[in-house]
Amino acid sequence: AQSVTQLDSQVPVFEEAPVELRCNYSSSVSVYLFWYVQYPNQGLQLLLKYLSGSTLVESINGFEAEFNKSQTSFHLRKPSVHISDTAEYFCAVSRMDSSYKLIFGSGTRLLVRP
Amino acid sequence: DAGVIQSPRHEVTEMGQEVTLRCKPISGHNSLFWYRQTMMRGLELLIYFNNNVPIDDSGMPEDRFSAKMPNASFSTLKIQPSEPRDSAVYFCASSSQGASNQPQHFGDGTRLSIL
Repeated sequence: AQSVTQLDSQVPVFEEAPVELRCNYSSSVSVYLFWYVQYPNQGLQLLLKYLSGSTLVESINGFEAEFNKSQTSFHLRKPSVHISDTAEYFCAVSRMDSSYKLIFGSGTRLLVRP
Repeated sequence: DAGVIQSPRHEVTEMGQEVTLRCKPISGHNSLFWYRQTMMRGLELLIYFNNNVPIDDSGMPEDRFSAKMPNASFSTLKIQPSEPRDSAVYFCASSSQGASNQPQHFGDGTRLSIL
């Protein structure tokens, strides 16, 4: 079975500071990796995904995540956060040899302060 | 393009009443998912449809919950009778092909409160 661990339930950070949201996963088979973001009173939106190829993937709004197979991690980073980045961030995995099922972590609330 | 549309956005009702949540997936998507989100349990997959057929309903809590997808553009999740512990945010999501490398697109959810 697969599992996803997001150790930090909340990460407070000042505006323009860098941030890292941690994600570790466990799986006996190869997986695809995703980060979703949930703004208040909205559904989840895909932020970025790792399917294959370069282990560093980027989103259009400055976030990046690096797939580290040896450490089974997919941490999310941003060099300088904005107030508007305040949201809940979910890491998720799905098996490459299966269809449809996404396993979500428990989420990390990023709170950006002025 | 319109995203996944859910209705109602909020529902408050009394224990024992029937509740029906509605979802319109993105046009062309043939996979549909119903999730429940609570503080205690996080995001739980309730049921998955592919080409209007229920494939995996192992997450449906109990017989009080039922879901249908009569056509490619509409799905319902029904709770009868409702209980206070059913209070949660219910999300519908859709994806193309139902493959594990395809992202799921979520609606804005229905916030359900059972008094």
